[in-house]
Amino acid sequence: DQQVKQNSPSLSVQEGRISILNCDYTNSMFDYFLWYKKYPAEGPTFLISISSIKDKNEDGRFTVFLNKSAKHLSLHIVPSQPGDSAVYFCAATDSGTYKYIFGTGTRLKVLA
Amino acid sequence: KAGVTQTPRYLIKTRGQQVTLSCSPISGHRSVSWYQQTPGQGLQFLFEYFSETQRNKGNFPGRFSGRQFSNSRSEMNVSTLELGDSALYLCASSLDRGRSSPLHFGNGTRLTVT
Repeated sequence: DQQVKQNSPSLSVQEGRISILNCDYTNSMFDYFLWYKKYPAEGPTFLISISSIKDKNEDGRFTVFLNKSAKHLSLHIVPSQPGDSAVYFCAATDSGTYKYIFGTGTRLKVLA
Repeated sequence: KAGVTQTPRYLIKTRGQQVTLSCSPISGHRSVSWYQQTPGQGLQFLFEYFSETQRNKGNFPGRFSGRQFSNSRSEMNVSTLELGDSALYLCASSLDRGRSSPLHFGNGTRLTVT
């Protein structure tokens, strides 16, 4: 049972435009969400997070939006740069277990 | 500060053998988690250790086991290897348990079972 889903395996965006990566979850106990970025031959690196008490968190070019009623979050990258080309994973956890559940990832390709 | 170190980087084993993977967390980090990454499955949670105790376990068979030492270093063992165990195994450490301590990942051990 995939509790965290990333339904788009890949996404291509032109440099300078907005990239929107989506993530859905099914477990209503999740109260903290994160995005990680992974380059080939490297481990994932932490990008940005959001608590369930917020609906938006911003860090430079990266913004995460959370819609609790829809159990949906999205990562916006503006403007997209070729160096953003990577696989992006969303993850969720609840304050009871501290177990992070990851999605299957979305491969972003930013075209120069 | 050194990052999370996983050894070895690559392993080739034969079906039925066993394997041990090693993870050295960032200095001062007390929590270590293990994940399996396969194409199309994302990162599947294996287990988490904190203060030498397994705190969480994912849905993997008993062939997968782990332990954590007093210096927070961790090992993961897979016995009676199957072809489907071929994957990238990632170790992550965090300062503590909880949201204020994001996971820091190593570069993984690529295991190939033939």
